[in-house]
Amino acid sequence: QSVLTQPPSVSAAPGQKVTISCSGSSSNIGNNYVSWYQQLPGTAPKLLIYDNNKRPSGIPDRFSGSKSGTSATLGITGLQTGDEADYYCGTWDSSLSIVVFGGGTKLTVL
Amino acid sequence: EVQLVQSGAEVKKPGESLKISCKGSGYSFTSYWIGWVRQMPGKGLEWMGIIYPGDSDTRYSPSFQGQVTISADKSISTAYLQWSSLKASDTAMYYCARQIAVAGPGGSYYFDYWGQGTLVTVSS
Repeated sequence: QSVLTQPPSVSAAPGQKVTISCSGSSSNIGNNYVSWYQQLPGTAPKLLIYDNNKRPSGIPDRFSGSKSGTSATLGITGLQTGDEADYYCGTWDSSLSIVVFGGGTKLTVL
Repeated sequence: EVQLVQSGAEVKKPGESLKISCKGSGYSFTSYWIGWVRQMPGKGLEWMGIIYPGDSDTRYSPSFQGQVTISADKSISTAYLQWSSLKASDTAMYYCARQIAVAGPGGSYYFDYWGQGTLVTVSS
């Protein structure tokens, strides 16, 4: 049981937009910045978004992040088949004093 | 270019010891935290702990405290994760990653560079 809650799966057609939610509490998302990671099949996770909505160099602006209260959202526009992956949210939990992750969301581009 | 290169896959028997490594390059190894993340087969990411190679300050997740040891040798820019007595339940992929950690209200904690992963298989 993960501290952060994500939907197990989402799907959309190529070219469409999808959002992935990440729900937490005041001890984690509510008071700390959120990051998002993409894990393509058989590879290591890769940082997509940090500090709620910032993109590292090289990450296309098709990927966006937002946060409101104790929830965060990853948005992906112009879906491509290469976006099929598992997506994880992460943040610090001030009560547990650990980094916590969501359980992951599998994106299928139909 | 920042790189974290991990040691190769391991196959061990229950009760055996193991130490896996993560070598950093392309940045000041002593100035950034290095974290370890476990991913069990078909499962999500779990934060195990971190080390600051500059002074070897180490923090563990309560779930992993006492189960593993995190260390670093700054002279060769390498961090380690070790077990003294492996169990079948330790079978997993283990990733090292450079962790950015800015404490305080509105803390910022994220992993900006990841190693390729080390698969550990424990089976009799």
